[in-house]
Amino acid sequence: QKEVEQDPGPLSVPEGAIVSLNCTYSNSAFQYFMWYRQYSRKGPELLMYTYSSGNKEDGRFTAQVDKSSKYISLFIRDSQPSDSATYLCAMNAFQKLVFGTGTRLLVSP
Amino acid sequence: NAGVTQTPKFRILKIGQSMTLQCAQDMNHNYMYWYRQDPGMGLKLIYYSVGAGITDKGEVPNGYNVSRSTTEDFPLRLELAAPSQTSVYFCASSSHRRQRLVNTEAFFGQGTRLTVV
Repeated sequence: QKEVEQDPGPLSVPEGAIVSLNCTYSNSAFQYFMWYRQYSRKGPELLMYTYSSGNKEDGRFTAQVDKSSKYISLFIRDSQPSDSATYLCAMNAFQKLVFGTGTRLLVSP
Repeated sequence: NAGVTQTPKFRILKIGQSMTLQCAQDMNHNYMYWYRQDPGMGLKLIYYSVGAGITDKGEVPNGYNVSRSTTEDFPLRLELAAPSQTSVYFCASSSHRRQRLVNTEAFFGQGTRLTVV
Protein backbone atom coordinates (compact mmCIF):
# COMPACT_ATOMS: atom_id res chain seq x y z
CA GLN A 1 0.00 0.00 0.00
CA LYS A 2 1.31 3.42 -0.95
CA GLU A 3 1.74 5.86 1.91
CA VAL A 4 -0.08 8.58 -0.03
CA GLU A 5 -2.80 7.92 -2.60
CA GLN A 6 -3.97 10.52 -5.11
CA ASP A 7 -6.14 10.17 -8.21
CA PRO A 8 -3.98 11.11 -11.23
CA GLY A 9 -6.93 12.52 -13.23
CA PRO A 10 -7.07 14.34 -15.53
CA LEU A 11 -9.85 16.40 -14.05
CA SER A 12 -11.52 18.70 -16.59
CA VAL A 13 -13.78 21.54 -15.44
CA PRO A 14 -15.21 24.71 -16.99
CA GLU A 15 -13.96 28.11 -15.90
CA GLY A 16 -15.66 29.27 -12.71
CA ALA A 17 -16.27 25.78 -11.33
CA ILE A 18 -15.38 24.69 -7.82
CA VAL A 19 -12.63 22.10 -7.89
CA SER A 20 -12.03 19.47 -5.23
CA LEU A 21 -8.72 17.61 -5.12
CA ASN A 22 -8.11 14.87 -2.57
CA CYS A 23 -5.49 12.58 -1.07
CA THR A 24 -5.61 9.76 1.42
CA TYR A 25 -2.69 8.53 3.46
CA SER A 26 -1.82 5.63 5.69
CA ASN A 27 0.98 6.90 7.95
CA SER A 28 -0.49 8.39 11.11
CA ALA A 29 2.88 10.02 11.90
CA PHE A 30 2.42 12.65 9.20
CA GLN A 31 2.12 16.08 10.77
CA TYR A 32 2.39 18.64 8.00
CA PHE A 33 0.21 18.54 4.93
CA MET A 34 1.01 20.47 1.81
CA TRP A 35 -0.25 21.14 -1.67
CA TYR A 36 2.19 21.85 -4.47
CA ARG A 37 1.30 23.13 -7.91
CA GLN A 38 3.38 22.09 -10.91
CA TYR A 39 3.08 23.68 -14.30
CA SER A 40 4.21 21.74 -17.33
CA ARG A 41 7.99 21.36 -17.54
CA LYS A 42 8.52 23.25 -14.28
CA GLY A 43 9.42 22.28 -10.75
CA PRO A 44 6.67 22.05 -8.10
CA GLU A 45 5.88 25.18 -6.08
CA LEU A 46 4.29 25.23 -2.64
CA LEU A 47 0.69 26.40 -2.75
CA MET A 48 -0.46 25.88 0.82
CA TYR A 49 0.38 23.94 3.92
CA THR A 50 -1.47 23.07 7.11
CA TYR A 51 -0.48 21.54 10.39
CA SER A 52 -2.74 18.86 11.87
CA SER A 53 -6.52 18.81 11.32
CA GLY A 54 -8.59 21.78 10.24
CA ASN A 55 -9.07 24.23 7.41
CA LYS A 56 -6.86 26.94 5.98
CA GLU A 57 -7.96 29.49 3.44
CA ASP A 58 -5.86 31.59 1.08
CA GLY A 59 -7.79 33.55 -1.50
CA ARG A 60 -9.59 31.11 -3.79
CA PHE A 61 -7.85 28.12 -2.23
CA THR A 62 -8.91 26.17 0.87
CA ALA A 63 -6.91 23.29 2.31
CA GLN A 64 -8.67 20.84 4.59
CA VAL A 65 -7.18 18.09 6.74
CA ASP A 66 -9.07 15.32 8.53
CA LYS A 67 -6.51 13.30 10.46
CA SER A 68 -9.13 10.95 11.90
CA SER A 69 -9.99 9.82 8.34
CA LYS A 70 -6.44 10.31 7.01
CA TYR A 71 -7.88 12.47 4.25
CA ILE A 72 -6.83 15.86 2.90
CA SER A 73 -8.48 18.10 0.34
CA LEU A 74 -7.77 21.21 -1.68
CA PHE A 75 -10.71 23.28 -2.90
CA ILE A 76 -10.36 25.87 -5.64
CA ARG A 77 -13.20 28.36 -5.99
CA ASP A 78 -13.94 30.24 -9.22
CA SER A 79 -11.37 28.16 -11.09
CA GLN A 80 -9.44 29.91 -13.86
CA PRO A 81 -7.64 28.59 -16.96
CA SER A 82 -4.40 29.67 -15.26
CA ASP A 83 -5.13 27.07 -12.55
CA SER A 84 -4.52 24.34 -15.13
CA ALA A 85 -1.60 22.39 -13.70
CA THR A 86 -0.77 19.25 -11.79
CA TYR A 87 -1.51 19.45 -8.07
CA LEU A 88 0.53 17.25 -5.76
CA CYS A 89 -0.28 16.61 -2.17
CA ALA A 90 2.67 16.11 0.14
CA MET A 91 3.07 15.31 3.76
CA ASN A 92 5.89 14.85 6.16
CA ALA A 93 6.90 13.49 9.50
CA PHE A 94 10.28 14.63 10.78
CA GLN A 95 12.74 14.25 7.91
CA LYS A 96 10.62 12.39 5.40
CA LEU A 97 8.63 14.28 2.76
CA VAL A 98 6.28 12.06 0.74
CA PHE A 99 4.34 13.11 -2.35
CA GLY A 100 1.20 11.84 -3.99
CA THR A 101 1.19 11.05 -7.71
CA GLY A 102 -0.40 14.40 -8.55
CA THR A 103 -3.76 15.22 -10.13
CA ARG A 104 -3.73 16.93 -13.50
CA LEU A 105 -6.34 19.71 -13.60
CA LEU A 106 -7.60 21.26 -16.84
CA VAL A 107 -9.78 24.39 -16.61
CA SER A 108 -11.37 25.29 -19.93
CA PRO A 109 -12.43 28.88 -20.79
CA ASN B 1 18.44 35.16 -5.39
CA ALA B 2 18.77 32.06 -7.60
CA GLY B 3 17.12 29.53 -5.24
CA VAL B 4 17.81 25.97 -6.38
CA THR B 5 19.81 25.58 -9.56
CA GLN B 6 20.07 22.31 -11.45
CA THR B 7 22.37 21.52 -14.34
CA PRO B 8 22.12 20.29 -17.00
CA LYS B 9 18.50 20.84 -18.05
CA PHE B 10 18.58 18.01 -20.59
CA ARG B 11 20.87 15.06 -21.18
CA ILE B 12 20.90 11.94 -23.31
CA LEU B 13 23.08 9.08 -22.04
CA LYS B 14 23.98 5.75 -23.54
CA ILE B 15 23.47 2.61 -21.50
CA GLY B 16 26.42 2.08 -19.17
CA GLN B 17 27.63 5.68 -19.22
CA SER B 18 28.04 7.72 -16.06
CA MET B 19 27.10 11.27 -15.22
CA THR B 20 26.60 13.67 -12.37
CA LEU B 21 23.53 15.84 -12.00
CA GLN B 22 24.46 19.06 -10.25
CA CYS B 23 22.33 20.85 -7.68
CA ALA B 24 23.16 24.04 -5.81
CA GLN B 25 21.13 26.23 -3.47
CA ASP B 26 21.94 29.66 -2.14
CA MET B 27 19.36 29.84 0.67
CA ASN B 28 21.55 28.25 3.38
CA HIS B 29 19.04 25.41 3.71
CA ASN B 30 20.18 22.43 5.73
CA TYR B 31 17.93 19.84 4.04
CA MET B 32 18.36 18.83 0.42
CA TYR B 33 16.57 16.15 -1.59
CA TRP B 34 16.72 14.37 -4.91
CA TYR B 35 13.48 13.15 -6.48
CA ARG B 36 12.66 11.47 -9.74
CA GLN B 37 9.34 12.02 -11.46
CA ASP B 38 7.97 9.51 -13.94
CA PRO B 39 4.69 10.08 -15.82
CA GLY B 40 1.73 9.37 -13.56
CA MET B 41 3.99 8.26 -10.72
CA GLY B 42 4.48 11.39 -8.69
CA LEU B 43 7.76 12.27 -7.03
CA LYS B 44 9.85 9.47 -5.61
CA LEU B 45 12.61 10.26 -3.14
CA ILE B 46 16.04 8.96 -4.20
CA TYR B 47 18.33 10.39 -1.52
CA TYR B 48 18.21 13.19 0.99
CA SER B 49 20.61 15.05 3.23
CA VAL B 50 19.97 16.80 6.54
CA GLY B 51 23.26 18.68 6.49
CA ALA B 52 26.80 18.70 5.13
CA GLY B 53 28.41 15.29 5.47
CA ILE B 54 25.11 13.49 6.15
CA THR B 55 23.12 11.62 3.52
CA ASP B 56 20.47 8.92 3.64
CA LYS B 57 18.59 6.70 1.23
CA GLY B 58 15.07 7.45 0.13
CA GLU B 59 12.54 5.22 -1.54
CA VAL B 60 14.45 4.41 -4.76
CA PRO B 61 18.24 4.74 -4.15
CA ASN B 62 19.50 1.84 -6.28
CA GLY B 63 21.73 2.93 -9.14
CA TYR B 64 22.47 6.35 -7.62
CA ASN B 65 24.97 7.90 -5.25
CA VAL B 66 25.15 11.28 -3.56
CA SER B 67 27.55 13.35 -1.54
CA ARG B 68 27.13 16.51 0.52
CA SER B 69 30.49 18.11 1.17
CA THR B 70 29.06 21.64 1.50
CA THR B 71 25.75 23.14 2.57
CA GLU B 72 25.19 24.52 -0.92
CA ASP B 73 25.84 21.53 -3.18
CA PHE B 74 24.19 18.12 -3.45
CA PRO B 75 25.25 16.27 -6.63
CA LEU B 76 23.58 13.05 -7.76
CA ARG B 77 25.77 10.45 -9.46
CA LEU B 78 24.60 7.79 -11.92
CA GLU B 79 27.37 5.23 -12.31
CA LEU B 80 26.01 2.81 -14.95
CA ALA B 81 23.06 4.37 -16.69
CA ALA B 82 20.12 2.09 -17.48
CA PRO B 83 16.94 2.77 -19.49
CA SER B 84 14.94 2.52 -16.24
CA GLN B 85 16.67 5.72 -15.12
CA THR B 86 15.04 7.71 -17.90
CA SER B 87 13.10 10.30 -15.92
CA VAL B 88 12.88 13.90 -14.82
CA TYR B 89 15.06 14.57 -11.80
CA PHE B 90 14.28 17.31 -9.30
CA CYS B 91 16.48 18.64 -6.57
CA ALA B 92 14.88 20.45 -3.63
CA SER B 93 15.96 22.14 -0.44
CA SER B 94 14.28 23.21 2.77
CA SER B 95 15.11 24.56 6.18
CA HIS B 96 14.27 22.67 9.36
CA ARG B 97 14.81 23.48 12.99
CA ARG B 98 15.22 20.28 14.96
CA GLN B 99 14.03 21.76 18.23
CA ARG B 100 10.65 22.87 17.03
CA LEU B 101 10.00 20.52 14.09
CA VAL B 102 8.87 23.58 12.18
CA ASN B 103 8.07 22.76 8.62
CA THR B 104 9.10 25.21 6.00
CA GLU B 105 8.68 25.25 2.27
CA ALA B 106 10.68 22.91 0.06
CA PHE B 107 12.01 24.81 -2.94
CA PHE B 108 12.50 22.89 -6.16
CA GLY B 109 14.84 23.36 -9.06
CA GLN B 110 13.60 23.36 -12.64
CA GLY B 111 14.50 19.73 -13.20
CA THR B 112 16.87 17.70 -15.37
CA ARG B 113 15.32 15.62 -18.15
CA LEU B 114 17.44 12.51 -18.59
CA THR B 115 17.02 9.95 -21.36
CA VAL B 116 19.03 6.74 -21.36
CA VAL B 117 19.20 4.98 -24.72
